[in-house]
Amino acid sequence: DGGITQSPKYLFRKEGQNVTLSCEQNLNHDAMYWYRQDPGQGLRLIYYSQIVNDFQKGDIAEGYSVSREKKESFPLTVTSAQKNPTAFYLCASKRGHRSSGNTIYFGEGSWLTVV
Amino acid sequence: DAKTTQPNSMESNEEEPVHLPCNHSTISGTDYIHWYRQLPSQGPEYVIHGLTSNVNNRMASLAIAEDRKSSTLILHRATLRDAAVYYCILRDVDSNYQLIWGAGTKLIIKP
Repeated sequence: DGGITQSPKYLFRKEGQNVTLSCEQNLNHDAMYWYRQDPGQGLRLIYYSQIVNDFQKGDIAEGYSVSREKKESFPLTVTSAQKNPTAFYLCASKRGHRSSGNTIYFGEGSWLTVV
Repeated sequence: DAKTTQPNSMESNEEEPVHLPCNHSTISGTDYIHWYRQLPSQGPEYVIHGLTSNVNNRMASLAIAEDRKSSTLILHRATLRDAAVYYCILRDVDSNYQLIWGAGTKLIIKP
């Protein structure tokens, strides 16, 4: 089935470590997104990519990095510079970033906890 | 900036209709109104979207005001599985077409 796969579902990070969250989609979508969600809050955009080899910062990009070397993959690295990384991370994709009518599809999310 | 306003929470009895409102007074003429819902610890899932006319699908109906400044998501017969946070979202042209997610409406279904 077509969809978005995020891994791992749960991840623990020690202080000072970088960790990478995986996101793969087989929907042939050009646009991909990473969101952060804190308990009881809405989604906040970290980074997005409109096309391969291109990405832009969202509202809360500090302490995060991404790459888009392949259309189907958009990994997110949470660096040690992110001081409060404990949150629920969601990857999403859409056929075209600018199109208003396209549906956005989400993965099941990854829980990151700092220990 | 494109912005939506939704009530923080709503309650409904099981098997009764639910009307979830959303105000979007700054919507532009070409923007679709999308609704998603999110169950605890899951990614949001698509519910419905529309531009001007009312829309129906197997999950819900979407009623859009004539001036497009508000819309209402209608669950015709709510079940316990419909308990979720419902988001009404728009595209924000001024923010490079990003989707704007508010805090949504937490729908509580009482058995």
